[in-house]
Amino acid sequence: QVQLVQSGTEVKKPGSSVKLSCKASGYTFTSYTIHWVRQAPGQRLEWMGWIIAGNGNTKSSQNFHDRITITRDTSANIVYMELNSLTSEDTAVYYCARVNVLFRPTASLDYWGQGTLVTVSS
Amino acid sequence: DIQMTQSPSTLSASVGDRVTITCRASQSVSRWVAWYQQKAGKAPNLLIFKASTLETGVPSRFSGTGSGTEFTLIISSLQPDDFATYYCQQYDSYPLTFGQGTKLEIK
Repeated sequence: QVQLVQSGTEVKKPGSSVKLSCKASGYTFTSYTIHWVRQAPGQRLEWMGWIIAGNGNTKSSQNFHDRITITRDTSANIVYMELNSLTSEDTAVYYCARVNVLFRPTASLDYWGQGTLVTVSS
Repeated sequence: DIQMTQSPSTLSASVGDRVTITCRASQSVSRWVAWYQQKAGKAPNLLIFKASTLETGVPSRFSGTGSGTEFTLIISSLQPDDFATYYCQQYDSYPLTFGQGTKLEIK
């Protein structure tokens, strides 16, 4: 069965960086795009970006002002998301999610990781 | 950015009720809208995609309609498991955006 398993809780200082992982299993990794979505406490979901696992092409939201880097390791079926210059406003649960259409970067998201809580505090 | 506005923000209903949640887009998104259910502390769960297509395994009491700027999620007969928060999402243009959520509470 399809699974996305994310790395564990992070506590970071303002100004630092965080790198989260998302390990995929149960499907052909290179056939689907993975998105990252975050949710600050009590807030709506916020789309961050995606990576086409097959070729490594990425797209991210301009709302992150080039602070975000999404990469993948096809040998291990893992997608990474790194966010730099953290502030308290980056405190959120971060999710990875898979699109529900083969070989398309943008579609609805049918499988989600369990989420990773990132807390940014001095 | 395309703004997605849901109404109502909170909805109180009883088991067996028919409920409707509306999502309005600030500009046309064709039919590129998905609906998700989220329970506290859990990841969202896809219910509907392309405005009206039911995701595999989702009960048929869920349905979606709409195109352009106005979309609706309907639950035909509420079950105890349906009390959760619901989000719409547009995936027509970047950045992809979500509604603010509708919390469905037990009356």
